Amino acid sequence: ETGVTQSPTHLIKTRGQQVTLRCSSQSGHNTVSWYQQALGQGPQFIFQYYREEENGRGNFPPRFSGLQFPNYSSELNVNALELDDSALYLCASSPRGLNTEAFFGQGTRLTVV
Amino acid sequence: DAKTTQPNSMESNEEEPVHLPCNHSTISGTDYIHWYRQLPSQGPEYVIHGLTSNVNNRMASLAIAEDRKSSTLILHRATLRDAAVYYCILRTGGGTSYGKLTFGQGTILTVHP
Repeated sequence: ETGVTQSPTHLIKTRGQQVTLRCSSQSGHNTVSWYQQALGQGPQFIFQYYREEENGRGNFPPRFSGLQFPNYSSELNVNALELDDSALYLCASSPRGLNTEAFFGQGTRLTVV
Repeated sequence: DAKTTQPNSMESNEEEPVHLPCNHSTISGTDYIHWYRQLPSQGPEYVIHGLTSNVNNRMASLAIAEDRKSSTLILHRATLRDAAVYYCILRTGGGTSYGKLTFGQGTILTVHP
C-alpha cells in the first residue's frame, strides 16, 4: 500500500465549471506531482510542488493551478472545464531527489460533459 | 525532455523470463533510469531504478548498458499479475522541473497462461 490517497475517486462535471481534486501524500514526502492521463496514453506532467512552492510545470494552461499545504498534502484546481479535460488525474509523492521512488495514488477519474 | 524509446507491445508465457528493452541515447550523466508499471485502472507503481550499475530487487532486475544509452528490465518469471504497461523513464535534474517523471507510451506486456 502506497499511502497516497486521492479524493474523490470519480467525478462528473459540466463544461465551464470548476473542480478541486485532493491528494494526501505519503508521510515524510515533501514533493508532490500531478499528472493527467487521457485514455490510452501515458501520464502527462502537469506541475510539481516542493515545500509549498511550485517547482516546475508542464505544458498546461494557467487554468490548471495547485497548492501544497504545510503537511505536504496538495490540491489540483481546474477552472473553466473543457470536454478535453476528461481524464484520470494522478498524484505522486516522493522525497526530493532523483534517486528516490515516487508513490502514486489511484487517481481521480474526471468526466466533463 | 529526456526521451526514451520502447517497443509498443511484448508477449510472454507465464513463468518464463521477460526482457523489456529501452533506448535512451540522449541520457545525461546525472539522469537516473526509472521503471514504473501500470495495471489496468490503477496508478503507476514503482518497479526499479538505477544510475550506472545493474540493480536487483524483489520485483525485477535492471541491466544498464555500459554507455548507459540503453537498459533492460528483466522479470525473471512472469506471472499473470505482471501483465501491465511498463514505462521506462529518465528522471532528470535538468530543466525547470527537478526530478519530474516524463512518461512515454510504454510497453504493453501481455502474459499468456
